[in-house]
Amino acid sequence: GAGVSQSPSNKVTEKGKDVELRCDPISGHTALYWYRQSLGQGLEFLIYFQGNSAPDKSGLPSDRFSAERTGGSVSTLTIQRTQQEDSAVYLCASSGDYNEQFFGPGTRLTVL
Amino acid sequence: QKEVEQDPGPLSVPEGAIVSLNCTYSNSAFQYFMWYRQYSRKGPELLMYTYSSGNKEDGRFTAQVDKSSKYISLFIRDSQPSDSATYLCAMIKNFGNEKLTFGTGTRLTIIP
Repeated sequence: GAGVSQSPSNKVTEKGKDVELRCDPISGHTALYWYRQSLGQGLEFLIYFQGNSAPDKSGLPSDRFSAERTGGSVSTLTIQRTQQEDSAVYLCASSGDYNEQFFGPGTRLTVL
Repeated sequence: QKEVEQDPGPLSVPEGAIVSLNCTYSNSAFQYFMWYRQYSRKGPELLMYTYSSGNKEDGRFTAQVDKSSKYISLFIRDSQPSDSATYLCAMIKNFGNEKLTFGTGTRLTIIP
């Protein structure tokens, strides 16, 4: 079956612009996670959704970062006024009844 | 200090060798321990998970957890070039819907 998909796969933007990153979880998975992977930093948790609610937003690094999830399915991570330090791979994962987190291929964001 | 420490490598070994990958952690509340494999430009995929202390074997892979020392290991026997990837340890307090805490990952290359 289809796995987690993310779009775009690559995004190059200029400093100060806003970007939107999209995640399509595995059908039926109620939990959805966003992580960020920077060189030498491993994966850092950003936000977790259960259905359309976000009980844990503790990893969002600043108020320039926001995320929403609609219909218990697709999620969008928005970064406003991008900075060079936002350059990273943004990974989405979803999980169902057995709680294993399945990851998408990520969106590689480059801020010039 | 990070909650989970992992030597980033890189680690290069000849084909057929036994590989040992390790992580240490500081939070004694972690109870579930996982190893993810990540190929270049792909999302992480779950290899193995272990609950509490002990060993778990799956084919050529063995995961080992020593909670008293806060130390986990992944052993790969008869290593193959296809094992070349980045290996990330991850841990979680409860196997419910909760964020994973990752190590930085170890880049492994198996030399034919």
